Amino acid sequence: GAGVSQTPSNKVTEKGKYVELRCDPISGHTALYWYRQSLGQGPEFLIYFQGTGAADDSGLPNDRFFAVRPEGSVSTLKIQRTERGDSAVYLCASSPGTVNSPLHFGNGTRLTVT
Amino acid sequence: DQQVKQNSPSLSVQEGRISILNCDYTNSMFDYFLWYKKYPAEGPTFLISISSIKDKNEDGRFTVFLNKSAKHLSLHIVPSQPGDSAVYFCAARTNAGKSTFGDGTTLTVKP
Repeated sequence: GAGVSQTPSNKVTEKGKYVELRCDPISGHTALYWYRQSLGQGPEFLIYFQGTGAADDSGLPNDRFFAVRPEGSVSTLKIQRTERGDSAVYLCASSPGTVNSPLHFGNGTRLTVT
Repeated sequence: DQQVKQNSPSLSVQEGRISILNCDYTNSMFDYFLWYKKYPAEGPTFLISISSIKDKNEDGRFTVFLNKSAKHLSLHIVPSQPGDSAVYFCAARTNAGKSTFGDGTTLTVKP
């Protein structure tokens, strides 16, 4: 079956621009997560949705970052006024939302801010 | 303050031998632990997990051990195969839902 799909796979943008990263989770998965991974580090939690609502957005680094999941399926991570320090791989994961179910990750979007 | 630590950035073992990857955590509220494997240019994939009420979980060549008193877990792979070469991430979760990851250990299995 189809896994988690993330688009684009690569995005290069100039400092100060706005970007949107899209995640299409596995069908039927109610939980959706965004992580950010910098070189040599593990995935860093950003935000978690259960259905349409953000259940935990404590990992968003500042108010330039925002994520939505309006219909409880596809999610978009939005970054305003991008900075060079935002360069990283942005990973999306989904899960059935049941207790102790593992995360299913997409292949990520590599964001480069020049 | 990093709550999940993998202190060995890399590990190299010979094919057929045992690989042992270690992970330490500091948050006593973590109640579920997972290992993920990651190949280059791909997202992490789930490998094996263990609940805090257990001390061992086995799945084929992979066994995870949990020592709650020491806040330490380890992943054993035996026998190791060249296809096991990847980055391995330890993750820990509270019942609040989000997982916290370590920085990974790069395993190289030499033929």
